[in-house]
Amino acid sequence: AQSVTQPDIHITVSEGASLELRCNYSYGATPYLFWYVQSPGQGLQLLLKYFSGDTLVQGIKGFEAEFKRSQSSFNLRKPSVHWSDAAEYFCAVDVTGNQFYFGTGTSLTVIP
Amino acid sequence: GAGVSQTPSNKVTEKGKYVELRCDPISGHTALYWYRQSLGQGPEFLIYFQGTGAADDSGLPNDRFFAVRPEGSVSTLKIQRTERGDSAVYLCASSTRQGSAGELFFGEGSRLTVL
Repeated sequence: AQSVTQPDIHITVSEGASLELRCNYSYGATPYLFWYVQSPGQGLQLLLKYFSGDTLVQGIKGFEAEFKRSQSSFNLRKPSVHWSDAAEYFCAVDVTGNQFYFGTGTSLTVIP
Repeated sequence: GAGVSQTPSNKVTEKGKYVELRCDPISGHTALYWYRQSLGQGPEFLIYFQGTGAADDSGLPNDRFFAVRPEGSVSTLKIQRTERGDSAVYLCASSTRQGSAGELFFGEGSRLTVL
């Protein structure tokens, strides 16, 4: 079955530490890949996206993600986390050109 | 405003009642999407409009749910005979996409509570 998996429901990191959020997808072809962030009381905001080309993509707020075809993964990274990064993060894929499929999300807590 | 606007932001209703949720997309965006997000879950696709027509309504859970976009701009999601299980945040998104992948711009959502 087609799916998007975010294996980590909740992650806690210290401010200034590095971060990696995992995302795996299960589709026959390489989809378009996205990471969105959702802060309390706010709408989903696009962090970055991968369509083709360079497999390492840069996004806003210092985030980056790497597409690895062999692992069907699109993990999100940030070298140094800030307290304002605390939020819910969603990986999404677009395989049909019509709809996005979202993972269940990873909740990030940042401790001082 | 410049972003996707959704009203109401909160709606509390009783089981069995009819509910309408409105979405005003970014001006010029031809594609419009409705998603439903339950607590602790990712957004779940409901329906996608390209212009005035529903290009994909495969995510609508049953015939109590219906959405329209009569003039290709504002959309209304309509839920008949609401059930407690319909309680969720209903998200609207719009995009400039024309048959190819593009970024979705989301509204802040309408939180529906069915008592």
